[in-house]
Amino acid sequence: NAGVTQTPKFQVLKTGQSMTLQCAQDMNHEYMSWYRQDPGMGLRLIHYSVGAGITDQGEVPNGYNVSRSTTEDFPLRLLSAAPSQTSVYFCASSLVGVGSPLHFGNGTRLTVT
Amino acid sequence: SQQGEEDPQALSIQEGENATMNCSYKTSINNLQWYRQNSGRGLVHLILIRSNEREKHSGRLRVTLDTSKKSSSLLITASRAADTASYFCATDAYSGGYQKVTFGIGTKLQVIP
Repeated sequence: NAGVTQTPKFQVLKTGQSMTLQCAQDMNHEYMSWYRQDPGMGLRLIHYSVGAGITDQGEVPNGYNVSRSTTEDFPLRLLSAAPSQTSVYFCASSLVGVGSPLHFGNGTRLTVT
Repeated sequence: SQQGEEDPQALSIQEGENATMNCSYKTSINNLQWYRQNSGRGLVHLILIRSNEREKHSGRLRVTLDTSKKSSSLLITASRAADTASYFCATDAYSGGYQKVTFGIGTKLQVIP
């Protein structure tokens, strides 16, 4: 009964480094998404996917890349980390369809120095 | 920009009192959802109200929706210390062919034992 699993929980990067935030769900959800949460700004959608092989951009996609090769996994790649990407990142999944509640992982806290 | 804006941004009450949080949004929606976030954790879905509903109850939670005013409220009755958390409203609608879920900045609720 794992739900949505995010790894790592914490990460510190230097400016310019790249890394991949992992997200996996075991609920057979077609819809998966990445949000970033910053103080005073709520959650902002980075990228989302409605199924394997299908991804699209959200509100703040610049500097991030995603792919969806399986239903279960939706990794988020930071191509060249910048201090502005210091944030808490959440992965969420749901059934496809308006009104389906999102299931969230516990987040990855990323600091870019 | 954020679709939903919660009010107040912070609320402190005594255990046993009722807590009311408000959410305003800007564009037409299909549904409005409320989520809770405990410190350091992901968001957890609480309740969904559809655009054609005016009020909904779930346990100690009561949600109202006024589409003419583009606003919703979440009432937590007989609050407990365990209700201490941040609460977010989220609106969803179809946008560009996919379910777009947009979050507000949240209300931080502290329930004092």
